[in-house]
Amino acid sequence: EAGVTQFPSHSVIEKGQTVTLRCDPISGHDNLYWYRRVMGKEIKFLLHFVKESKQDESGMPNNRFLAERTGGTYSTLKVQPAELEDSGVYFCASSLLLAGKGYEQYFGPGTRLTVT
Amino acid sequence: DQQVKQNSPSLSVQEGRISILNCDYTNSMFDYFLWYKKYPAEGPTFLISISSIKDKNEDGRFTVFLNKSAKHLSLHIVPSQPGDSAVYFCAASDNAGGTSYGKLTFGQGTILTVHP
Repeated sequence: EAGVTQFPSHSVIEKGQTVTLRCDPISGHDNLYWYRRVMGKEIKFLLHFVKESKQDESGMPNNRFLAERTGGTYSTLKVQPAELEDSGVYFCASSLLLAGKGYEQYFGPGTRLTVT
Repeated sequence: DQQVKQNSPSLSVQEGRISILNCDYTNSMFDYFLWYKKYPAEGPTFLISISSIKDKNEDGRFTVFLNKSAKHLSLHIVPSQPGDSAVYFCAASDNAGGTSYGKLTFGQGTILTVHP
């Protein structure tokens, strides 16, 4: 079974540019999450989809960040325009929509975003 | 406001000995706790979990202990192996059940080094 995949693995952009990150969850996982780790600190929650609906976007830092999950499959996270403080590693995770198993989130390898 | 804290940034252990990683939390609404292991340039990998209704869960060399009154959990690795060297994250969920599982709140991580 394929795990969570993310693309690209690394992106370097200039301040003010736009970047779109993509996440493909594990097949059958209706829960999809985005997290970010900045400067080796803790991993922080950004938002949570259940299928195509945004369940919780309380962690989104500001309106420069836009996440979508059309059709309830893959998800994209767009940063527009990017700022220096957006640099970090963006992780996507997915889990089953199933009682007792949904807590266990499976993470992708992350996208390292560098804004210069 | 750090709701999950791992106060030891690093831990060094000799191969074959026990590794004990600690985690403290402040939110009494957390009902499920997880440990993740992370290698460089990879995403966090789920290791072991425990529900708040239990005080111990064991899986092979890994045991997680939960002390609700102290709001403290620990991960024991016995015996430690060089391949266990990684960053270990403690995480907690405050979803009260159902099937729409919410965000994980992470600690800052502890770097474990197991020396041969």
